[in-house]
Amino acid sequence: EPEVTQTPSHQVTQMGQEVILRCVPISNHLYFYWYRQILGQKVEFLVSFYNNEISEKSEIFDDQFSVERPDGSNFTLKIRSTKLEDSAMYFCASRDGQGAWSEQFFGPGTRLTVL
Amino acid sequence: AQSVTQLGSHVSVSEGALVLLRCNYSSSVPPYLFWYVQYPNQGLQLLLKYTSAATLVKGINGFEAEFKKSETSFHLTKPSAHMSDAAEYFCAVSDIGTSYDKVIFGPGTSLSVIP
Repeated sequence: EPEVTQTPSHQVTQMGQEVILRCVPISNHLYFYWYRQILGQKVEFLVSFYNNEISEKSEIFDDQFSVERPDGSNFTLKIRSTKLEDSAMYFCASRDGQGAWSEQFFGPGTRLTVL
Repeated sequence: AQSVTQLGSHVSVSEGALVLLRCNYSSSVPPYLFWYVQYPNQGLQLLLKYTSAATLVKGINGFEAEFKKSETSFHLTKPSAHMSDAAEYFCAVSDIGTSYDKVIFGPGTSLSVIP
């Protein structure tokens, strides 16, 4: 069964460092998303991506964040200068057709720890 | 804008007892609703979804949910709890304000199953 994969599963970094979180969405999917979940809190939307551009972003997704689909298969989230408060689980998701009825498939997440 | 509330951040049931996890939504248009489960240290897995085809929705692992428009509810139930059901459960609504349809999650309910 197709699945969304994410690497690494756990990333530890120093405050101020750049990190890149990687995701491989399901191959025929067209819409891509990043969410994050701070420990003990709910899952929050960060950004959606379609047709090689950002379609929507939340207030959390400031200038320190960027997304890219560099090669038609990977989907990356970059944090330029990490802060302590960026420590969270980051989930990638993808879905196929347009419309709210098609479910998003989530990856297993990357746990980011900023020291 | 759509939103979701979940009554009870933590629910504890005995093995074999009924599981009832509550979810209420707010939406100005007919919603698309989802229940996701998150097992410890894992990603988000779709349990079931409501897309207006039937008000009683059956999902995986014996779970089902009933959409009640008059009560703006989408409660999750399972007749008999199993130890393996211990997890975090998230009710979610698809934000149909845009065609890109991000998912808006509730705060989650942690289910404990007592032997």
